[in-house]
Amino acid sequence: EIVLTQSPATLSLSPGERATLSCRASESIASRLAWYQQKPGQAPRLLIFDASERATGIPARISGSGSGTDFTLTISSLEPEDFAVYYCQQRSDWPLTFGGGTKVEIQ
Amino acid sequence: EVQVVESGGGLVQPGGSLRLSCAASGFNFRGYSMNWIRQAPGKGLEWVSYISSTSYDIHYAAHVNGRFTISRDNAKNSVYLQMNSLRDEDTAVYYCTRDGGWRDDYWGQGTLVTVSS
Repeated sequence: EIVLTQSPATLSLSPGERATLSCRASESIASRLAWYQQKPGQAPRLLIFDASERATGIPARISGSGSGTDFTLTISSLEPEDFAVYYCQQRSDWPLTFGGGTKVEIQ
Repeated sequence: EVQVVESGGGLVQPGGSLRLSCAASGFNFRGYSMNWIRQAPGKGLEWVSYISSTSYDIHYAAHVNGRFTISRDNAKNSVYLQMNSLRDEDTAVYYCTRDGGWRDDYWGQGTLVTVSS
C-alpha cells in the first residue's frame, strides 16, 4: 500500500499569507495525485488532479506541483474561505489512499 | 448539474447488515466509474471500494474485503454498497463519488452509518 504523509499537520496563518502544504508518497506515483479541500460539515471538494491541473471553478491562487514522491499544494494569498482541511490522494495504484490531512487555521 | 445522493445509512448493531444506495444524475452515468469513500467521526478520508462503468473491474480496501459488496445498476443510474458483518470501526460518513478519471470529481453529502449495540 502506498502511504501518503502530509505536513505539517496544522498550519496557522493570516489572510493574505502564502500557504505551502506538502504531501510525500512512500513510492513513486508519477503525477497521479489529487488534492481536496474539506470544510466542517461538508463533503470534500476536488481542487487539483494530476498533481497540477486545477479542477473546474478553482481559483488561480490555488496551485499544485510535483511528481514522483514529493508534491506541494500552494495557496498564494489566503482568502477567508481557504481556511479548511486539505487532503492529498494517490490514484496510481490500488488501494487508493489518502494522506492524513493538513488543517489550515487562522492565526 | 451533476448530483450524487447517498441514502440508506442508520444505526445497526455489530454483526448486522446495511445497504447503501447512491443515486446519480446530471451526467452519463454508464460512462463513469464510481467510488465509495468513508470518514470516521473526527478522522480523515478512507477509500472503501471502486466499480468500473461496466462493473467488470471492482476493487476493495483490505479492511472491508469479504464483508462489503459494491454493485451498480446503469438502468437506474445507481450504485450500491452492501455491508455485512459490520464492526464498530465501520462507523463513518459514507460518501459516494464520481470517478472522473484519476480523481473523485463529484461527491455526495454522505450518509452516516453508526455501528453500535
